[in-house]
Amino acid sequence: GENVEQHPSTLSVQEGDSAVIKCTYSDSASNYFPWYKQELGKRPQLIIDIRSNVGEKKDQRIAVTLNKTAKHFSLHITETQPEDSAVYFCAASSSGGSYIPTFGRGTSLIVHP
Amino acid sequence: SAVISQKPSRDICQRGTSLTIQCQVDSQVTMMFWYRQQPGQSLTLIATANQGSEATYESGFVIDKFPISRPNLTFSTLTVSNMSPEDSSIYLCSVSPGSTTYEQYFGPGTRLTVT
Repeated sequence: GENVEQHPSTLSVQEGDSAVIKCTYSDSASNYFPWYKQELGKRPQLIIDIRSNVGEKKDQRIAVTLNKTAKHFSLHITETQPEDSAVYFCAASSSGGSYIPTFGRGTSLIVHP
Repeated sequence: SAVISQKPSRDICQRGTSLTIQCQVDSQVTMMFWYRQQPGQSLTLIATANQGSEATYESGFVIDKFPISRPNLTFSTLTVSNMSPEDSSIYLCSVSPGSTTYEQYFGPGTRLTVT
C-alpha cells in the first residue's frame, strides 16, 4: 500500500518568512495530492491540491509543487502570518486505491509575530 | 462544498458503554468515511460507509467494535462499542461528493473521552 512521509514534524518561522513542508510517497500510481490545514480544535480543511498532470499550482500565498519522478511534493507558504499557525497534513491517493487518501503524520507550523 | 454536521460534538462516557455518532450532510454524496484522530496524531481511516451494504473496514478495525450504518446518501452513524479509555479520541466523518472524485471534506468531529 501507499506510504506517505512528511517533514518536518514541527516548523517554527517568523511572521513574513516563507515555510516549506515536504512529503514523499511510495506508490507510483498515486495521482492526487491534497493538503489539509487543521487549526487547534477544528476539522481538517482542504486548502490546496494537485493532480499528477501538473507540476505546480498556486493559490494566493500558498503553492504546491509535484515531482512525480522523485515521488515528492511540497507545500510552500509565503509571507506567513500568525493565522497560518496550524497542523498541515499532506496526502496521496489514486483511483486504484478507491480515491482514499493516505495521510502524512502532519507538520505543526508555528508563526511567531 | 457540502455542509457536514456531527452529533454529539463531544461526550464523556464510562467504560463498557457504547456511543453512537451521527454524521449528516446537506446534499447527497457518494462516499462517506469514518476516521479516528488521537491527540497529536494523524488521521486514521476506520472504514468506508457503503450505502445499502456493509461497511468496508481497514486493517485493525472490526465491525463488532465499530458498527456503521449508512441508510441513505446523506446520513451515516458510527458506534463505538464496549468502550475503554483507549477509545478516547476524536472521530471524524468525511465525504467525497462523487464516486470518481478525489476531494474529501471533513465534519467537525466528535471528541470522545472514556473514563
